[in-house]
Parts: sequence; C-alpha cells; structure tokens
Amino acid sequence: QQPVQSPQAVILREGEDAVINCSSSKALYSVHWYRQKHGEAPVFLMILLKGGEQMRHEKISASFNEKKQQSSLYLTASQLSYSGTYFCGTIHGSSNTGKLIFGQGTTLQVKP
Amino acid sequence: DTGVSQNPRHKITKRGQNVTFRCDPISEHNRLYWYRQTLGQGPEFLTYFQNEAQLEKSRLLSDRFSAERPKGSFSTLEIQRTEQGDSAMYLCASSLYEGVGLYTFGSGTRLTVV
Repeated sequence: QQPVQSPQAVILREGEDAVINCSSSKALYSVHWYRQKHGEAPVFLMILLKGGEQMRHEKISASFNEKKQQSSLYLTASQLSYSGTYFCGTIHGSSNTGKLIFGQGTTLQVKP
Repeated sequence: DTGVSQNPRHKITKRGQNVTFRCDPISEHNRLYWYRQTLGQGPEFLTYFQNEAQLEKSRLLSDRFSAERPKGSFSTLEIQRTEQGDSAMYLCASSLYEGVGLYTFGSGTRLTVV
C-alpha cells in the first residue's frame, strides 16, 4: 500500500532539472508532495487531485496520471534551497476520507 | 493561528518509563493524525482522529501506545514501558475533513530511549 518513489537519491548542480516519481498499486484520490530538511517537519509543496490536474508552484510543478496511478514532481533550474528529502503521500479511494500514506522518500542534494 | 504545536520538542527517557506527548492542532481542523518517523524513512501512520473519535489505529501499533483527543481539540500520545525501538520522531498533523485534505505538520517530538 505504501507508494514507491524513484529515484532514491539525486545529486544535481545548481540550475539543473530533476524529476521524482511516485507510483501506487491502488487507485488514488490524491497525491501530496512534501519536502523535509534534516531535523525539521515536512513542508507542504502541493496537492494533486483526480482528473490529471497539473499544478505549478514557482519552479516546481507536478503531474498526476490517474490511469497509471502515478505522480511526478518536476524541479526546474534547481536552487541550493531545494536540497532535502522529498516525500509523496497518497490517499486511496474515491474521496478524501482516508489518511496519507507516505513513500520512502527521495533525497535531493543540490551542489553549487 | 500559529499552526500545529507539539510538546516537548525533545524527550530522553530510560527504557521502561512512560512518556506522553501533546499536539495542539490548527483550531478549525477537525482531523488530527499521528505519525512516527525513523531516520531515512518516510512518516509512518500511527492513528488518526476526526473530532474526538479515533477512526483508525495502525496494526503496527502495539498495546503500549495509546492516543486520545478528549474534547476534539488537542491530542496526547502515550507510550508505556518504552523500548529502545521506540526512539523516533513523532509527528502530528491536522487537516479539515472537508476539501482536499491539506495536512499541516507540527515540528515533531524527538524521542530517545536510553
């Protein structure tokens, strides 16, 4: 039931792009993306709902393929502040009635 | 509203002792969740409440763990007879049942069992 994230780790230079994937074996109602820095709480990035909506937040965007039960997070022109661990969380089913189940995380390191 | 508040931030306890953590959610949020996170892992679901009702408890949670949300506001998580394997970050989050279910996390309580 836990979503699977790939890759497990990414190392980038400033200005490079990255894609983080999240896939589930069960039908999804929504996918939530969070970033967590060491020793801190997860910080909300965005939510994607059924319907394939693509959302954008500054240089971070994401997509949700409902049929494939997959979501991807796109980090464009990465900045040093993007470093951290990215988690996708999924809510299964047909409505917002369940709890978030998190993937194992993708560690992103952006170097100068 | 200042967000989700958790106390204490850090707790060191001896094995076998009981510990209690507190979470104060965003005031208008009717849902409250507890997660546990160990190093290098994603947050692992423990239990959640809608108002004062505990709707689900993870099967991974032993009988030594109990959570309450007596008046549908703050919540407490108690661990009895702590073990070294209980050492982790305990995260609380809250959300609204209505809408898209945006979670807001607290800063967590880091438990170290020695």
